[in-house]
Amino acid sequence: QQPVQSPQAVILREGEDAVINCSSSKALYSVHWYRQKHGEAPVFLMILLKGGEQKGHDKISASFNEKKQQSSLYLTASQLSYSGTYFCGTRTGNQFYFGTGTSLTVIP
Amino acid sequence: EAQVTQNPRYLITVTGKKLTVTCSQNMNHEYMSWYRQDPGLGLRQIYYSMNVEVTDKGDVPEGYKVSRKEKRNFPLILESPSPNQTSLYFCASSLSFTGYYEQYFGPGTRLTVT
Repeated sequence: QQPVQSPQAVILREGEDAVINCSSSKALYSVHWYRQKHGEAPVFLMILLKGGEQKGHDKISASFNEKKQQSSLYLTASQLSYSGTYFCGTRTGNQFYFGTGTSLTVIP
Repeated sequence: EAQVTQNPRYLITVTGKKLTVTCSQNMNHEYMSWYRQDPGLGLRQIYYSMNVEVTDKGDVPEGYKVSRKEKRNFPLILESPSPNQTSLYFCASSLSFTGYYEQYFGPGTRLTVT
């Protein structure tokens, strides 16, 4: 039931773009995205809801394909501060499942 | 300041010695949850609580207990810790569990069981 994320890791130079994907074997009603810096707690980035509604970070964009049960996070013109591990999360019943994470490293 | 607090932040203990990790939120959130984080496995839900006195098992509940006697507190209890419970633990809360509300995480508790 844990969503699958890809890629597992990516290294970017400042200013480059990246896409992180999240897919689930279960029907999705919403997808959450969080970022975790090393040694810190995960921090909320975005929620995407069935029907197209979104809430969250104004500098990061994401998509949600309900039919394919997939979501993608788009990081454009990456900055050094974007480095960290990105997790998607999905709800099944009353439980919440996080993906295994995508490590993003932005280098100067 | 709106926050989730956890204590202790670091704990080293021995096998079999009961311990409790406290979690408290000041945002009047209904939903609270405990996760453990292990390398390569992401965050896995241990237990969750929809509201006071309502708790249920998550994905990896074995060896853990919880209680929710007050809305703000959600302690995690390890009655007889074992080395395979060495992990980084996070408590989280959200306004409700409709999928519309984000989770706020505590700072984490790093537990080592020898």
